Amino acid sequence: DARVTQTPRHKVTEMGQEVTMRCQPILGHNTVFWYRQTMMQGLELLAYFRNRAPLDDSGMPKDRFSAEMPDATLATLKIQPSEPRDSAVYFCASGRGRDQPQLFGDGTRLSIL
Amino acid sequence: KNQVEQSPQSLIILEGKNCTLQCNYTVSPFSNLRWYKQDTGRGPVSLTIMTFSENTKSNGRYTATLDADTKQSSLHITASQLSDSASYICVVSDAGGYQKVTFGIGTKLQVIP
Repeated sequence: DARVTQTPRHKVTEMGQEVTMRCQPILGHNTVFWYRQTMMQGLELLAYFRNRAPLDDSGMPKDRFSAEMPDATLATLKIQPSEPRDSAVYFCASGRGRDQPQLFGDGTRLSIL
Repeated sequence: KNQVEQSPQSLIILEGKNCTLQCNYTVSPFSNLRWYKQDTGRGPVSLTIMTFSENTKSNGRYTATLDADTKQSSLHITASQLSDSASYICVVSDAGGYQKVTFGIGTKLQVIP
């Protein structure tokens, strides 16, 4: 079965360091999403792309977060500088359209010390 | 403000029994409602997607219903299995696009032998 692949699965780093999370969406999917999940807030949408173009990133703190899709097989989410409040699980998902299922990766569990 | 409320927060049932999870929302204008299953340490997996015109959709032992007039949805699990132990998340999109996605906090279901 096709899967969304995220790397790394776990990341522990110190406050102030740059963090890069990578996602390989499913071939043929034209939409890519980044989500963050915490115990307190649950899931929240950070950004999404359609056909590699960023359509909305209003859910991200702009001063430190950036999301890109350098090509159809790679999406990246960067945090610079990282802060302890960024500790969460970050999920990438891809899909074919508005009312189609989104397939999620297994996430990057990020801990900022 | 758009909201999605799920109940109960947690539920314990005996293997083989049925259960129903509830989702109430205030999202407007409505686009679609999704139910996801999330196993511990994994990404969410889509169970059902319903648009305005659909009032029921099944996926194996999972049946979702939607009442767009009362803005309520339910997820019914029939003949529960131990593998149904997971969190179930209700997600509602409004017609404004993917950026207007509202997540419920989830119902944590535990199926015991």
